Amino acid sequence: SAVISQKPSRDICQRGTSLTIQCQVDSQVTMMFWYRQQPGQSLTLIATANQGSEATYESGFVIDKFPISRPNLTFSTLTVSNMSPEDSSIYLCSYRAPTTDTQYFGPGTRLTVL
Amino acid sequence: QKEVEQNSGPLSVPEGAIASLNCTYSDRGSQSFFWYRQYSGKSPELIMFIYSNGDKEDGRFTAQLNKASQYVSLLIRDSQPSDSATYLCAVGINSSASKIIFGSGTRLSIRP
Repeated sequence: SAVISQKPSRDICQRGTSLTIQCQVDSQVTMMFWYRQQPGQSLTLIATANQGSEATYESGFVIDKFPISRPNLTFSTLTVSNMSPEDSSIYLCSYRAPTTDTQYFGPGTRLTVL
Repeated sequence: QKEVEQNSGPLSVPEGAIASLNCTYSDRGSQSFFWYRQYSGKSPELIMFIYSNGDKEDGRFTAQLNKASQYVSLLIRDSQPSDSATYLCAVGINSSASKIIFGSGTRLSIRP
């Protein structure tokens, strides 16, 4: 599987500010995903990021709050905008391996909003 | 609402025994099924995937799928303390080939 990395690994932010999380894969992939995992919870899909088209958001997530960029086949960013303490969570980037249809995760970004 | 259900546990198993983790899903059209292991503070790690009815073995792990019963399980033989983790079941949703839905996870504890 390809190597997938995220930056930053963690951050502590003030409410009302925004944070952009970067995700890099070391080979080209068609489909990338952003998930959120709140403390003690499972993974919730925020959106699917496809190169060359708008991201597809899941119910409960909107572009104004979580804008996503996908400028090429190896990179994506997720911005958490106008943060509140409820946004404190782990944000995970993921990609789909085309041949096996399996999905792999980055190491995650642990966000704390004060 | 597509759902994936798991018992949250904790499931406590003695070292060397077989750990059995279960998962049910609601979308009868699902075709792909995955098991992830997640250690505390780490991201999920794919350990098994299965697409066809029956058993699939990989080392100490066996995934079992029964589409008629909408049931998928993971067996871990010769359980080790290092197997202590949360195990997440994930199911590909038929209506959207790209979407995977995760269960809430089962916390497994292997006692020495």
